Amino acid sequence: EPEVTQTPSHQVTQMGQEVILRCVPISNHLYFYWYRQILGQKVEFLVSFYNNEISEKSEIFDDQFSVERPDGSNFTLKIRSTKLEDSAMYFCASSERVRAVGNEKLFFGSGTQLSVL
Amino acid sequence: RKEVEQDPGPFNVPEGATVAFNCTYSNSASQSFFWYRQDCRKEPKLLMSVYSSGNEDGRFTAQLNRASQYISLLIRDSKLSDSATYLCVVTKSGNTGGFKTIFGAGTRLFVKA
Repeated sequence: EPEVTQTPSHQVTQMGQEVILRCVPISNHLYFYWYRQILGQKVEFLVSFYNNEISEKSEIFDDQFSVERPDGSNFTLKIRSTKLEDSAMYFCASSERVRAVGNEKLFFGSGTQLSVL
Repeated sequence: RKEVEQDPGPFNVPEGATVAFNCTYSNSASQSFFWYRQDCRKEPKLLMSVYSSGNEDGRFTAQLNRASQYISLLIRDSKLSDSATYLCVVTKSGNTGGFKTIFGAGTRLFVKA
C-alpha cells in the first residue's frame, strides 16, 4: 500500500538554527500538507500546498516557515530560526482531492519529532 | 467556541461494550467530516468518512446531523485493540480558495479485559 514517508524521524536542533523536514507524499496525490502536534495537544493545521503553491495557511505558519516542492517527489518544510516552542511532532500528509468535496481523506506520514534545545 | 469540540474522556470500557463518541462543530459551512484514530505518539489514521445518511464499517457506525452540527461515532463489541484516541475532523473552505482540515482534540478510549 502506498504511504507517505518522512525523514528524519527525530531531529534535535539548537534554538535559532534552521531545520528542514522532508516528506515524500503518495505519488498520485495532488494536495500536500503539514501539521504539527505539540505533546499532549491536538493536531494543528499549518499549511496546504497545491499546484506548486500554498493553498491555505494557518496563523501558526508565519514568516519563519516555508514549504517547497523541489522536485517531483519531495515536499519540505523549513523553519528558518527555530524557537523552543517549535518543539513538536510534525506530520506531513497528502490527499487526492480534485475539487470534489468528500475526497479530502488525509494520509499521514509517521512524523518527525523536532526537539529545539 | 472551539471549531471542533469533543469530550476528552477518557472512556474506560470493558471488552465487548458499546461506546459512543460525540463531536460538535461551529462552522455551518463545513463540508466534509471524518473520524480518525491516533495511537500514542503515532500519526492519525483515517477511520471513516461521515455522511448525513449514516455509514457503517463493521463494528463502527458514524452519523452526521448537519442541522445540529453534530457528529457521532459508535463502536460495538469493543476490542482491546480499539484503545486509542479518536479524532473528529472537519473540513471547511479556506480564505484563498483552498480548504482547511480542523482536528478536534480527541477522545481517549481505553478498552480493558
